[in-house]
Amino acid sequence: AQSVTQPDIHITVSEGASLELRCNYSYGATPYLFWYVQSPGQGLQLLLKYFSGDTLVQGIKGFEAEFKRSQSSFNLRKPSVHWSDAAEYFCAVFSGTGNQFYFGTGTSLTVIP
Amino acid sequence: SQTIHQWPATLVQPVGSPLSLECTVEGTSNPNLYWYRQAAGRGLQLLFYSVGIGQISSEVPQNLSASRPQDRQFILSSKKLLLSDSGFYLCAWTRGTNYGYTFGSGTRLTVV
Repeated sequence: AQSVTQPDIHITVSEGASLELRCNYSYGATPYLFWYVQSPGQGLQLLLKYFSGDTLVQGIKGFEAEFKRSQSSFNLRKPSVHWSDAAEYFCAVFSGTGNQFYFGTGTSLTVIP
Repeated sequence: SQTIHQWPATLVQPVGSPLSLECTVEGTSNPNLYWYRQAAGRGLQLLFYSVGIGQISSEVPQNLSASRPQDRQFILSSKKLLLSDSGFYLCAWTRGTNYGYTFGSGTRLTVV
């Protein structure tokens, strides 16, 4: 069965520091992978997605993610975090057979000045 | 361009009362539509999805139901709310795998 694991429930970083949010997936075929961000009380916004090709994908707001098949990972990174990046981040994998997305439980990011 | 509307934004309802949340999509046709619930401190749980008018798939058995009376309209309902129905409800649509989901702004439901 498909599943997504985000090992870190909560992460705190200083503004200007680098960031890496972890995501591991379980999927039998080539996965379609996504990262979403949710600001408090808001819906989810797509940051970036991976389907095939270059394993390093660029997204909005300066985020990037790298797909590593050998590690079943799709970690999200940002070189320098801004205070406005404080939010909840969700990794997701699409299941074509079930026609639905499977989400991780999310990682809450706090940015301290 | 496509937009998704979800309302109301906030709702406080007594236990045992009915529920109706509405979601509409503009600017596209035959979208796949989804209802998710996000309980406090937890991830996203898929409740229902629909690939066409009148076609509803339920992922979690509960006292909620969904309907799709029109191509771009998706409604989440309950005849009698429970305290455990409290949460943040999100509607989403997609036109295919390559595009990911587009989410509505959500409805905060508090059952008291």
